[in-house]
Amino acid sequence: QVQLQESGPGLVKPSETLSLTCTVSGGSISSYYWSWIRQPPGKGLEWIGYIYYSGSTNYNPSLKSRVTISVDTSKNQFSLKLSSVTAADTAIYFCARSGELEPLLYYYYYMDVWGKGTTVTVSS
Amino acid sequence: QSALTQPASVSGSPGQSITISCTGTSSDVGGYNFVSWYQQHPGKAPKLMIYDVTKRPSGVSNRFSGSKSGNTASLTISGLQAEDEADYYCSSYTSSSGVVFGGGTKLTVL
Repeated sequence: QVQLQESGPGLVKPSETLSLTCTVSGGSISSYYWSWIRQPPGKGLEWIGYIYYSGSTNYNPSLKSRVTISVDTSKNQFSLKLSSVTAADTAIYFCARSGELEPLLYYYYYMDVWGKGTTVTVSS
Repeated sequence: QSALTQPASVSGSPGQSITISCTGTSSDVGGYNFVSWYQQHPGKAPKLMIYDVTKRPSGVSNRFSGSKSGNTASLTISGLQAEDEADYYCSSYTSSSGVVFGGGTKLTVL
């Protein structure tokens, strides 16, 4: 059973770069789409972007200039970097997989396995 | 891409049915049959409940059903149970090849 676990600093200073890693266990990262989603305190979900196992990416247009998602298949991990952070980037950050919901069919816009989330606070 | 519009809250008694709406535009909900719904209990990660507007992933109760008309999608929960109390989010593929979520609806089981 595939499990995802986010890791990284819980506190980031304004203007610095937020860096998180998602470790995949119980399965290989060398297939499917892998995404980052965030949730500000008491608010709704916001899609950040995804990476395909081959390395192709797609980002939320509102964050595109500040976001980089990368994958390390040798470590079964994928990562998020968000630059020039402000207090508005304070949120719970989730990583998620878009796997097969039907045989051989998977789409990046459906996330079927999620990590538990990690809280990141932007503050000096 | 603007967030999809959901009611802030809905409520119902055990055994009853409730419906949560999700309104977008022709660039997302209305333009594609790629609408999904997620359930999120407090302090937990979201769980996929509906995809492709009407389909349920394996293991999801058939008390959950989805539909769409024009730019509005809906999630219906029948035979309401206490465990259904949670936040529900709709999501859609967008014309810019992205993903947009709704603002979320808090379901209270009375």
